[in-house]
Amino acid sequence: DGGITQSPKYLFRKEGQNVTLSCEQNLNHDAMYWYRQDPGQGLRLIYYSQIVNDFQKGDIAEGYSVSREKKESFPLTVTSAQKNPTAFYLCASVQRRGLGTEAFFGQGTRLTVV
Amino acid sequence: RKEVEQDPGPFNVPEGATVAFNCTYSNSASQSFFWYRQDCRKEPKLLMSVYSSGNEDGRFTAQLNRASQYISLLIRDSKLSDSATYLCVVTSSGGYQKVTFGTGTKLQVIP
Repeated sequence: DGGITQSPKYLFRKEGQNVTLSCEQNLNHDAMYWYRQDPGQGLRLIYYSQIVNDFQKGDIAEGYSVSREKKESFPLTVTSAQKNPTAFYLCASVQRRGLGTEAFFGQGTRLTVV
Repeated sequence: RKEVEQDPGPFNVPEGATVAFNCTYSNSASQSFFWYRQDCRKEPKLLMSVYSSGNEDGRFTAQLNRASQYISLLIRDSKLSDSATYLCVVTSSGGYQKVTFGTGTKLQVIP
C-alpha cells in the first residue's frame, strides 16, 4: 500500500545533540513538507521541498535542516541550535487533486529533550 | 496578519446541535482549500475539500467565499465522535506551491 512513513514514533534527545527524523513516501509525490505542532497549537511549517535537490524555508526554519536527495525521502535534522525542540513533528507529501492539492501525513514523531 | 486564521475555540456543543466554523485567509491568490480533522495526538486526516459551489458530505457542509476570503464548515446533528480539532488548509499558487494550515478549532460535543 502506498503511504508516508515517519520514524521513529518517539525520540528522546539530550541537550546539545543533533537528531534526524525520517520521512519516506512511496506515493511518487513531488512535494514534501515538515511541520511542528506544540501542545494545543496548530501546525507550523518548518521546511518544504517541491522537487529533488531543492527546498525552501518555512515559517520556523531556524535550528532545523533538511535534505532532499531522493524523491522518496525528506529527512529533518533538529540541531542543537533549536532551543526548544520538544514537540510533535509531522511530515506530509502533497498531491494535486483536481484543481487543488491534498496533503497526506505520516503518523508523526514525538521528540522530547531530556 | 496570519495567512490562515481560525478561532481556536473550544466550541462546546450538545449532541444533536449544529455548529459552524469559519476560517479566513489573507492571500487572494490562494488556490485550493480543505478541512482536516485531527484527533488528540494523531496526524491530521482529510475531512473534505472546499469548492466555490459548496461541498456536502452527509452531516458536513463546506463552503468557500472568495470575495470575503473565508471558508466555512457546518456540522449538523453533532455526534460525540465529532469531538476533535478541525484544521483549515489553504494552498497558494506560484513558483512554489505552499500548503498552510490554520491553528485549528477545537470542538467538544457533550452528551
